[in-house]
Amino acid sequence: GESVGLHLPTLSVQEGDNSIINCAYSNSASDYFIWYKQESGKGPQFIIDIRSNMDKRQGQRVTVLLNKTVKHLSLQIAATQPGDSAVYFCAEIYSGSARQLTFGSGTQLTVLP
Amino acid sequence: GAGVSQSPSNKVTEKGKDVELRCDPISGHTALYWYRQSLGQGLEFLIYFQGNSAPDKSGLPSDRFSAERTGGSVSTLTIQRTQQEDSAVYLCASSLGSGGNQPQHFGDGTRLSIL
Repeated sequence: GESVGLHLPTLSVQEGDNSIINCAYSNSASDYFIWYKQESGKGPQFIIDIRSNMDKRQGQRVTVLLNKTVKHLSLQIAATQPGDSAVYFCAEIYSGSARQLTFGSGTQLTVLP
Repeated sequence: GAGVSQSPSNKVTEKGKDVELRCDPISGHTALYWYRQSLGQGLEFLIYFQGNSAPDKSGLPSDRFSAERTGGSVSTLTIQRTQQEDSAVYLCASSLGSGGNQPQHFGDGTRLSIL
């Protein structure tokens, strides 16, 4: 989930288990959401997006769920692999006026062997 | 390559010097963004370019920061009279079109360290 300050929330899972990463977004008018994965020394990598007219979208091994009522977004990763270890950010935007994404502070996912 | 390219990957400079950071967006992407990421933090928006429109500079933290985008492609972010608080990773992203519902694709950033 979201955090305040310099300490990222962390999630540790066993290899092969499913992971769920949560995000509380801030703007009730936001209508487009993206999950990014960021490995050390790299830029954020696009994983999956969802528009506000949907509440679920599936990709390869990943599913994003959107609950607009409580302004909550989650990323589910199936059969987590060591290569999934990274920081995961959710990002939101109100496409009607804004152009820049607003990012959460991220969650550190660690996959244990 | 096919992705967003940034240079240099690392820059170390003394306080008070000027620095220029370069971004080559994905070919065909008309929108270009600069963000700043401090250690352990999320991304902070700096500036946005779309085609020939006037850039959105609303995120620039001070008048020491400026950016240009030449020919609708390559962009340069300039920081004048650098300060230690400017130390961060500067990330560039590009996207298709101007719609806010297009995913932004990021480069690997320039890690800037001010001594």
